[in-house]
This record gives sequence, C-alpha cells and structure tokens, in this order.
Amino acid sequence: NAGVTQTPKFQVLKTGQSMTLQCAQDMNHEYMSWYRQDPGMGLRLIHYSVGAGITDQGEVPNGYNVSRSTTEDFPLRLLSAAPSQTSVYFCASSYWYRGSGANVLTFGAGSRLTVL
Amino acid sequence: DAKTTQPTSMDCAEGRAANLPCNHSTISGNEYVYWYRQIHSQGPQYIIHGLKNNETNEMASLIITEDRKSSTLILPHATLRDTAVYYCIVRTIQGAQKLVFGQGTRLTINP
Repeated sequence: NAGVTQTPKFQVLKTGQSMTLQCAQDMNHEYMSWYRQDPGMGLRLIHYSVGAGITDQGEVPNGYNVSRSTTEDFPLRLLSAAPSQTSVYFCASSYWYRGSGANVLTFGAGSRLTVL
Repeated sequence: DAKTTQPTSMDCAEGRAANLPCNHSTISGNEYVYWYRQIHSQGPQYIIHGLKNNETNEMASLIITEDRKSSTLILPHATLRDTAVYYCIVRTIQGAQKLVFGQGTRLTINP
C-alpha cells in the first residue's frame, strides 16, 4: 500500500491563480480530510468527506473547494489564491479501528504552498 | 469536545522513558484520548488511543487515570528519532476523523 499520496510536494503561486492539490489513498478508507498548518501552529481542518459524493466544511473552509467523486481521491481546489493561504497542507484518510471502535487518521506527507 | 492541556516543551535523555502528560478534566464518558506526533513538518503519525483502560502497543503506553481527567503517554526507551511534537486529542468516535490539534508538546530527546 502506498497509503496517502499528496501531489505536488511544493508549489509557488501568484495571487489570484488557481490550482488543485491532489490527494489519493489506496486503503479503501471511507473518510478523507484536508488540514492546513501554519508556522508554529497546530493543524486546522479545512474540509472533510465521509464517503464518495459527500463533503462538509471544517474549521477554516473559506477560499477552498472540494469534491469526492471516488473513494480514492479527494482534491482540494484553491480558486483564487491569496497570500493568507500560504501554508503546509495535509490530507488524511481514516478507517474504523476495529479493536476499539475508534477512528484513526493516516496522513500524507504534505504539500507546501507559497502564494506570492 | 473536551479541551486538553499539555506542557509546551519537554526534554528527555536518550534511552530513558519519556513521560508526556495531558490534562483533560472536562472529558465526557464517550470521548477517547488519542495521541499523535509530528516529526519535523512530516504528516502527523498516530501513536495510540484509549477510553478507560491503560493501553500498550509497539510504540508506546497510554496511562489514563481512574477519573479520566488526565493521561500520560510513555515512550519506554526514547531514541533521537522520537524528537517530535506530541498531540493529545480528545474526541468521540463519531468526531474522531475531525481531529482538533492544539499546540502539543515539543519533546526533545538529548544524546
């Protein structure tokens, strides 16, 4: 298993440009989510999905769109990038930990985005 | 969801046990305690979780007090590779995929 794969690893954008951060998982996980992490801070939830065709907003959804057409993929779209979106973005997927019923996240390696 | 309080930073000597405390005095009966760590800007890594009983896996042990108001993550024989930020998170099963990360504890393992 490759786990959670994020592309690209690094990206530089100009203000107003659009782009899509890709996230794919091969573990057949139902849940997928996107977080952002600003320097010196913890992760904040942007959007999440509980299954194909279902998405919902997290703590900081403004400026981002998501869709979930397949179980495997959960792309994050920036429609008009702003300097405030400079951050490291992490995608995660999760399964039900059958031993205790809890839900454990597996994270990707991150995508570092700089908006000039 | 219950709020957690962790020390900002801790140091531990290599080879010794690292004990990371977490207070969650407002935890409710259906909330689990999760521990994740983040090694130098990598994606966070799951370590362990528990509800009431103490738990142990190949990475660590989790000790939860009887009143569940605090817990301790124990890395039994810390190595330099355990240097990371450790996050203690309290969530219900239903909310566990929407984790809220605080500042965590920056653990430094010294040679």
